[in-house]
Amino acid sequence: EAGVAQSPRYKIIEKRQSVAFWCNPISGHATLYWYQQILGQGPKLLIQFQNNGVVDDSQLPKDRFSAERLKGVDSTLKIQPAKLEDSAVYLCASSFTVGAIYGYTFGSGTRLTVV
Amino acid sequence: TQLLEQSPQFLSIQEGENLTVYCNSSSVFSSLQWYRQEPGEGPVLLVTVVTGGEVKKLKRLTFQFGDARKDSSLHITAAQPGDTGLYLCAGRNNDMRFGAGTRLTVKP
Repeated sequence: EAGVAQSPRYKIIEKRQSVAFWCNPISGHATLYWYQQILGQGPKLLIQFQNNGVVDDSQLPKDRFSAERLKGVDSTLKIQPAKLEDSAVYLCASSFTVGAIYGYTFGSGTRLTVV
Repeated sequence: TQLLEQSPQFLSIQEGENLTVYCNSSSVFSSLQWYRQEPGEGPVLLVTVVTGGEVKKLKRLTFQFGDARKDSSLHITAAQPGDTGLYLCAGRNNDMRFGAGTRLTVKP
């Protein structure tokens, strides 16, 4: 089965610019997540979608970050305007749940550098 | 403050040695997962443990979930250079929270 696709792989922007990341989850996975992984840290959940609805966005900095998942498939994460501290790898993951069994699959991530 | 504390933060060993890394929390989790992440890639799921006291083996890797479902350990026997990577634990309740990871380097 195809994995979680993310693009671009790398992005360098200047502070105060805007940037968008794209994610295509595994077909049939209803749940999609965006994580931020700062160097030396574990992934931090930004937002969780169930189909096209938001389940948890409590850690999303909503003054500058936005995300959408139209039609419950692909998702985009946008940062506007970017700050230096937004430099990180942005990981998209999708998951399935069947009873007590669940599995997470991560994409390779987008490495963002804000200069 | 990390919800899940992983130790040690860094570990460098010689090929053939054994090692154990730990994942601790004050919270109870319905399940816990271990992932391995290589540079430039996303985390890859190794195992899911669900029951308190559960032990799972994956070739040379042994995973244990604490009786109280608050902590977990990963033991690697006869480590190989291919085991090098960042080992992350993640606890699940309504969502998934990750620890900061243990960065393992196995030298040939």
